[in-house]
Amino acid sequence: NAGVTQTPKFQVLKTGQSMTLQCAQDMNHEYMSWYRQDPGMGLRLIHYSVGAGITDQGEVPNGYNVSRSTTEDFPLRLLSAAPSQTSVYFCASSYSIIGVGAQPQHFGDGTRLSIL
Amino acid sequence: SQQGEEDPQALSIQEGENATMNCSYKTSINNLQWYRQNSGRGLVHLILIRSNEREKHSGRLRVTLDTSKKSSSLLITASRAADTASYFCATDSGGSNYKLTFGKGTLLTVNP
Repeated sequence: NAGVTQTPKFQVLKTGQSMTLQCAQDMNHEYMSWYRQDPGMGLRLIHYSVGAGITDQGEVPNGYNVSRSTTEDFPLRLLSAAPSQTSVYFCASSYSIIGVGAQPQHFGDGTRLSIL
Repeated sequence: SQQGEEDPQALSIQEGENATMNCSYKTSINNLQWYRQNSGRGLVHLILIRSNEREKHSGRLRVTLDTSKKSSSLLITASRAADTASYFCATDSGGSNYKLTFGKGTLLTVNP
């Protein structure tokens, strides 16, 4: 099992460009989520999904779109990149949507994104 | 908004010493988790404690939970240089089954 795989690992964008951060898991997990990690801020939830076709907003959703067409994949789209979106982005997954707080989250190794 | 807040922000100890990190949260929770993050890597789950539990052990890790004080502590005994990492607590956000809220973390440095 590869676990949670995020691509790319590093990316530099110009302001206004769009891009998609990829996240894939091979553990048949129902629940998937995206976080951003900024210095001194910890991790903040952007969007999450409780299954294929079902997504919802987290704490900081503005400027980001998600979709989930398959159980395995949960891409995060930046529509028009802004310098404030410079961050490290983490994808996570867990087995069931029942009581997410009661389950270990499996994290990818992150995408380091810089917006110039 | 942050639910969990770790204390201290940074901790530096010598190998073999014990390390204690604290987490305080604001609203009622069902579960509290602790994670480790090595530099440049993703978070790794360490231990989960439910609201009806007071203490839990896993190897050299000991977690306590005091729901009356809305706080938890993570104790790492006999620390090793390999324990150098950031440690985060995560809690259920009140009222939601689908959201985990992470604190800002404690950076632990274990000097050989």
